[in-house]
Amino acid sequence: DAMVIQNPRYQVTQFGKPVTLSCSQTLNHNVMYWYQQKSSQAPKLLFHYYDKDFNNEADTPDNFQSRRPNTSFCFLDIRSPGLGDAAMYLCATSRDGGYGYTFGSGTRLTVV
Amino acid sequence: AQTVTQSQPEMSVQEAETVTLSCTYDTSENNYYLFWYKQPPSRQMILVIRQEAYKQQNATENRFSVNFQKAAKSFSLKISDSQLGDTAMYFCAFIYNQGGKLIFGQGTELSVKP
Repeated sequence: DAMVIQNPRYQVTQFGKPVTLSCSQTLNHNVMYWYQQKSSQAPKLLFHYYDKDFNNEADTPDNFQSRRPNTSFCFLDIRSPGLGDAAMYLCATSRDGGYGYTFGSGTRLTVV
Repeated sequence: AQTVTQSQPEMSVQEAETVTLSCTYDTSENNYYLFWYKQPPSRQMILVIRQEAYKQQNATENRFSVNFQKAAKSFSLKISDSQLGDTAMYFCAFIYNQGGKLIFGQGTELSVKP
């Protein structure tokens, strides 16, 4: 089945140690999104790629960066994770926003 | 600016009963799309139902249906014959253009009790 896959499912990293989360999709969707979701809150959009065009949200910290080497893969890099960056990170894709997004299972990041 | 408001942080319903989750939104756009997403404790966000603003007919997906009132900017979700597996956080969401960003409400945590 076509899907959005996030790895790893759980990630523990040390305070200040760079970490990379990955997302892949077999849907051939042209738009990929990264959301941060903290407990009992709505997902917060960090950035998205429309094809190769990167779109950063104004309030996304500089600590967060993203790469999209090809249509299928997208990475979230956190350069120096702080305790406040502990959250669930959701990757989503869409072909046409009007049909909604397809979400991955998420990566739960713990910072110790 | 577009906003989505869910005024019920928590709701509970008895198994087999019907429950309605409320959602209102604010936009000056005329063509847009509305969604209800379900996020169970496993945390994967799943699309429940979708409504196109230019369609007057309310969307229905099995036990899930919506009451879309465009003039009132209201988009409620009705779950009939509630099942234990419906226990989840439900997010109302809005998007108004292709490639645009999905705007979420704050969520309603639904508990279905046996």
